[in-house]
Amino acid sequence: DAGITQSPRHKVTETGTPVTLRCHQTENHRYMYWYRQDPGHGLRLIHYSYGVKDTDKGEVSDGYSVSRSKTEDFLLTLESATSSQTSVYFCAISDRYYEQFFGPGTRLTVL
Amino acid sequence: AQSVTQPDIHITVSEGASLELRCNYSYGATPYLFWYVQSPGQGLQLLLKYFSGDTLVQGIKGFEAEFKRSQSSFNLRKPSVHWSDAAEYFCAVGGRNTPLVFGKGTRLSVIA
Repeated sequence: DAGITQSPRHKVTETGTPVTLRCHQTENHRYMYWYRQDPGHGLRLIHYSYGVKDTDKGEVSDGYSVSRSKTEDFLLTLESATSSQTSVYFCAISDRYYEQFFGPGTRLTVL
Repeated sequence: AQSVTQPDIHITVSEGASLELRCNYSYGATPYLFWYVQSPGQGLQLLLKYFSGDTLVQGIKGFEAEFKRSQSSFNLRKPSVHWSDAAEYFCAVGGRNTPLVFGKGTRLSVIA
């Protein structure tokens, strides 16, 4: 299995609070991604990174920001969490755009 | 824009029966195609992938998929399903310079 960890694995927070999720890899892969998974929607891309400090928006980026200051870490921040952001968040990595390996996921509940 | 359609939300098969999960894609160039499997509470695991060449690709756990360009399809098959195959299956399409786009998934139930 690819060396990908996500933290925290579970989080419960309140509406309006900031939340940061962390993805850490030990594979030295160039590309990193954040997806959210919701019933009936499959996986939807939030943001992705194609190198240190290089990021781009995905399909559902509103309300989210990301940062990547070093190869191994990709942070997803919800500046002011809303109930619609309750979801399971997956990080993925790849050394090319087209073969991704996934982390174990973070279950986020916004009350 | 690229997209993936998995027409079946939920499929139930008997253990030992054959399985086919459908996937149709839309992509403007040569597609790279993938099937992933997700067991409950787990992340996604890559089952198989198609980049080029032989249109019938073999994957892990006895799965195979066939790329049919004329039908824009990449259906997943298994000759004999085991109870442990119960999971959710995702088809995805991408290209050399684009992140993957996933279908909404097909949930597979296996009955005795």
